[in-house]
Amino acid sequence: SQQGEEDPQALSIQEGENATMNCSYKTSINNLQWYRQNSGRGLVHLILIRSNEREKHSGRLRVTLDTSKKSSSLLITASRAADTASYFCATDRWAGSYQLTFGKGTKLSVIP
Amino acid sequence: GAGVSQSPSNKVTEKGKDVELRCDPISGHTALYWYRQSLGQGLEFLIYFQGNSAPDKSGLPSDRFSAERTGGSVSTLTIQRTQQEDSAVYLCASSLVGASGNTIYFGEGSWLTVV
Repeated sequence: SQQGEEDPQALSIQEGENATMNCSYKTSINNLQWYRQNSGRGLVHLILIRSNEREKHSGRLRVTLDTSKKSSSLLITASRAADTASYFCATDRWAGSYQLTFGKGTKLSVIP
Repeated sequence: GAGVSQSPSNKVTEKGKDVELRCDPISGHTALYWYRQSLGQGLEFLIYFQGNSAPDKSGLPSDRFSAERTGGSVSTLTIQRTQQEDSAVYLCASSLVGASGNTIYFGEGSWLTVV
């Protein structure tokens, strides 16, 4: 079953604008990670935020985590055409075994 | 190798045939994961191997699916008597250990089409 749910499902913006994607989850987590996927192939890890962190930055990426609302957001600032991809959040937790569960993703299109 | 390697990249098979998908994880990584992704969908967990522990098979959709990991390294996902609904990208990933907070590295996937 899906633990994370991203919204919007699809987002189209102009180059230079900021893109914000949201992720909600259902159960308690240890960490939340964001991944990027180009053209339906392999995923690339972008950033990890721990459950005791509220905000994290990496280059043009900013991730927030609100454990009380069970939600996270990924902000990409000054977007570029090369940022066009699908973005997934993944939550990890221990439930008898280590579980990493992905949402359905947000498809981002950055128009040059 | 430098990254997770999967083969074949693409496989077209006839309904009812068996297929084997191979994953070669990053050297030294003890945790290995298989996920399935249908067109335009999210990732569906299939199976997880951690070292010598019994694998977590809770995500395998039916008994037609099985996976093994030999010598703690290479893994093979086998789908018997393939059905059209098995068509998807099968993604393998590995991490240093299967523990919270570890970065997971994905292969490029094996695209399976059942006709």
